[in-house]
Amino acid sequence: NAGVMQNPRHLVRRRGQEARLRCSPMKGHSHVYWYRQLPEEGLKFMVYLQKENIIDESGMPKERFSAEFPKEGPSILRIQQVVRGDSAAYFCASSPSGTVQPQHFGDGTRLSIL
Amino acid sequence: DQQVKQNSPSLSVQEGRISILNCDYTNSMFDYFLWYKKYPAEGPTFLISISSIKDKNEDGRFTVFLNKSAKHLSLHIVPSQPGDSAVYFCAAAETGANSKLTFGKGITLSVRP
Repeated sequence: NAGVMQNPRHLVRRRGQEARLRCSPMKGHSHVYWYRQLPEEGLKFMVYLQKENIIDESGMPKERFSAEFPKEGPSILRIQQVVRGDSAAYFCASSPSGTVQPQHFGDGTRLSIL
Repeated sequence: DQQVKQNSPSLSVQEGRISILNCDYTNSMFDYFLWYKKYPAEGPTFLISISSIKDKNEDGRFTVFLNKSAKHLSLHIVPSQPGDSAVYFCAAAETGANSKLTFGKGITLSVRP
């Protein structure tokens, strides 16, 4: 999984706090996808971004969750006022274009809510 | 609504034998399918993919078969090796629909030495 960098690898937050998850795509990739994996489940699509644009956010919860991919810097997945149900592994993937092709994943951020 | 189903949660095979991992899908708009392998505490690693215009794709020890009429695909690993022990996810996408992947729940493969 070298190439797609996610940090932090582990994040612990108390209920009501904010969580910020970062993703730097592979070099040359301008398309970023965020997925969430709950225990014993598969990965679920959350949001697809290009530089400075949200292309598809159909998998994002309507409240408390937001994502951005600025012109400079990593993509950020932000969760406000976290609740216990937000505990999950959050994976970022990248691809060089928006056409259907294999996406390359980072090693994820494990978010734990106390 | 589970659009990609991996109904067997686990599979155990002897080293050297064939591993067959199955996947079913319900969305007839899916036309591109992928298999990913995942070790604990790591992200998924791409293994092999197949477009709906094909019914078979082979890469070394890995072969994926697609049966469109049955909405079924399978991953064959032969010969299986202990290092293949991992969780295998089937994923599907719809060309032209922003390329987001829909994943199954995964199958845990154990290859016994």
